[in-house]
Amino acid sequence: DVKVTQSSRYLVKRTGEKVFLECVQDMDHENMFWYRQDPGLGLRLIYFSYDVKMKEKGDIPEGYSVSREKKERFSLILESASTNQTSMYLCASSTQGRVVEKLFFGSGTQLSVL
Amino acid sequence: GIQVEQSPPDLILQEGANSTLRCNFSDSVNNLQWFHQNPWGQLINLFYIPSGTKQNGRLSATTVATERYSLLYISSSQTTDSGVYFCAVAYSGNTPLVFGKGTRLSVIA
Repeated sequence: DVKVTQSSRYLVKRTGEKVFLECVQDMDHENMFWYRQDPGLGLRLIYFSYDVKMKEKGDIPEGYSVSREKKERFSLILESASTNQTSMYLCASSTQGRVVEKLFFGSGTQLSVL
Repeated sequence: GIQVEQSPPDLILQEGANSTLRCNFSDSVNNLQWFHQNPWGQLINLFYIPSGTKQNGRLSATTVATERYSLLYISSSQTTDSGVYFCAVAYSGNTPLVFGKGTRLSVIA
């Protein structure tokens, strides 16, 4: 089975801190995604990547950046954390293909910015 | 961009009851998936179903692409079915999925 691992389940940071959220997948998937989930808003796409060193902005990239130096690892960076970035962050991966047939998620990181 | 609307937003069922969740989308899609998020936050893919009907145990799904909707059926519900059900779609090819806001299901024993 595919395993997508997020480094922390819960994280508490202070306003202005630089925050790194790490995601690792073990199935050699080309595609990786970062979503955030907020009550009543569903999942919203922050950034995604189709290959090493490639990145594309999603629907809400402001205040975030990403890094993909290795195929299995996709990092989400909050350059200067703010309280409105308190959220559940979900990483996902999938195989490259004509259609993304199955998306696999990590268990999420609940980030609180105080 | 494409809009995804799910209904109802909340649903409470007695154990053993059946239910139907609906997903409407605003444009043609060639990718539609249903997910279940358990109470601990883990999202699991249930179906990849851009058209037609599929069944997996007590769950089944039908997508009528020409009419831009999909239905998820849960029969003989169990407390373990509780959680949030998401529908997600994509226009074409390898584009990222766009998620609806979900239906929160609570199954009571």
